[in-house]
Amino acid sequence: EVQLVESGGGLVQPGGSLRLSCAASGFTFRSFAMSWVRQAPGKGLEWVSTISIGGGGSAYYADSVKGRFTISRDNSKNTLNLQMNSLSADDTALYYCTKGVLRYFDYWGQGTLVTVSS
Amino acid sequence: QSALTQPASVSGSPGQSITISCTGTSSDVGGFNYVSWYQQRPGKAPKLMIFDVNNRPSGISNRFSGSKSGNTASLTISGLQAEDEADYYCSSYTSSVTLIFGGGTKLTVL
Repeated sequence: EVQLVESGGGLVQPGGSLRLSCAASGFTFRSFAMSWVRQAPGKGLEWVSTISIGGGGSAYYADSVKGRFTISRDNSKNTLNLQMNSLSADDTALYYCTKGVLRYFDYWGQGTLVTVSS
Repeated sequence: QSALTQPASVSGSPGQSITISCTGTSSDVGGFNYVSWYQQRPGKAPKLMIFDVNNRPSGISNRFSGSKSGNTASLTISGLQAEDEADYYCSSYTSSVTLIFGGGTKLTVL
């Protein structure tokens, strides 16, 4: 059974940083692209970033986070990460870890909440 | 890049069929057969219902179907059931090597 479990969310001040992680199990992690999708409270879904297969996989970012967020993966630990810097209130959202490429996401975690507020 | 355009809400009675539209441009929906649809129930994570325009993942009812014409994709749910009440989102790959979602449609089963 595929499981994706996010962690690392919390309350952070504007301008601060946070690192999200996603522990994956139930599939061959190194063989699949992985992504982050976020959802602001009461709003719709927004794609954030995707990383392709391979230890140094190619990374893709939404314009709204480019230059501030960095996606990475550790295939030895079956873990996906998202380093978020220069956070603002607009980044407040539930962040989902998803399995999939830029075509579709077939499995989703339950999300970790990031709140940016002073 | 603006979100794909979906109606804010649709409704139907049990047993009926409904269709949700998703309109983009030639740089996304119209340019690639990479449209997918997600169902999200309150407080839950989204669930993939349709991928690559008209393909259903294993375990998804054949009451759900997808199609595309030009820059507009559609999700049709036939034999509407109470459990289908949820928010539905479309998404598409784009020519900028990104992915874009629609604004979401709230489906109410009357």
